[in-house]
Amino acid sequence: QSALTQPASVSGSPGQSITISCTGTSSDVGSYNLVSWYQQYPGKAPKLMIYEGNKRPSGVSNRFSGSKSGNTASLTISGLQAEDEADYYCCSYAGSLWVFGGGTKLTVL
Amino acid sequence: EVQLVQSGAEVKKPGESLKISCKGSGYRFTSYWIGWVRQMSGKGLEWMGIIYPGDSDTRYSPSFQGQVTISADKSISTAYLQWSSLRASDTAMYYCARLEWVGESNWFDPWGQGTLVTVSS
Repeated sequence: QSALTQPASVSGSPGQSITISCTGTSSDVGSYNLVSWYQQYPGKAPKLMIYEGNKRPSGVSNRFSGSKSGNTASLTISGLQAEDEADYYCCSYAGSLWVFGGGTKLTVL
Repeated sequence: EVQLVQSGAEVKKPGESLKISCKGSGYRFTSYWIGWVRQMSGKGLEWMGIIYPGDSDTRYSPSFQGQVTISADKSISTAYLQWSSLRASDTAMYYCARLEWVGESNWFDPWGQGTLVTVSS
């Protein structure tokens, strides 16, 4: 099972919106509406930001949203803030196993 | 509060064995899968495998099958990741995470704080 494909880096200015893509196959992202997204700061454990493709856990800002089209899931962060600068990973169920994306480093300019 | 607390950092030599732990609290340990994730320095997250402590049903990523063993002791609400013979390439941070599975949906939350394993001669 290959890792899901994410851009290595994205950047945006405060207040702007950015979108991080996560491309898989018909065996993972395309088959299940089960993509989750995680935020990781340097030296810290990952934190759940989006689950079931587009739902936010309690406490996660509504500036974070998720979507999916075909074999590609996306995470959108609107109203970018300095605190959003982190690494972001997507994860998909693939039938008895799970696969992560390679990760995207978000830089807030 | 649902919490996963992992054992401390380890420094080992190649060829040595190691077992790291992940203790769950604040929920029914036997009712949730626990997954293990590797993160090598400066790299991304890699799913290694998962265990259901209720019946010890275990699944491995093909990349890690035969390289590690995942187990659990439900009497003390603890999951384990072990190696019989470490290699330098096993040097990494290892995270455990609880799998929330609702209907056809699942996600990892919360995560443990991580255990750094360093293998060096």
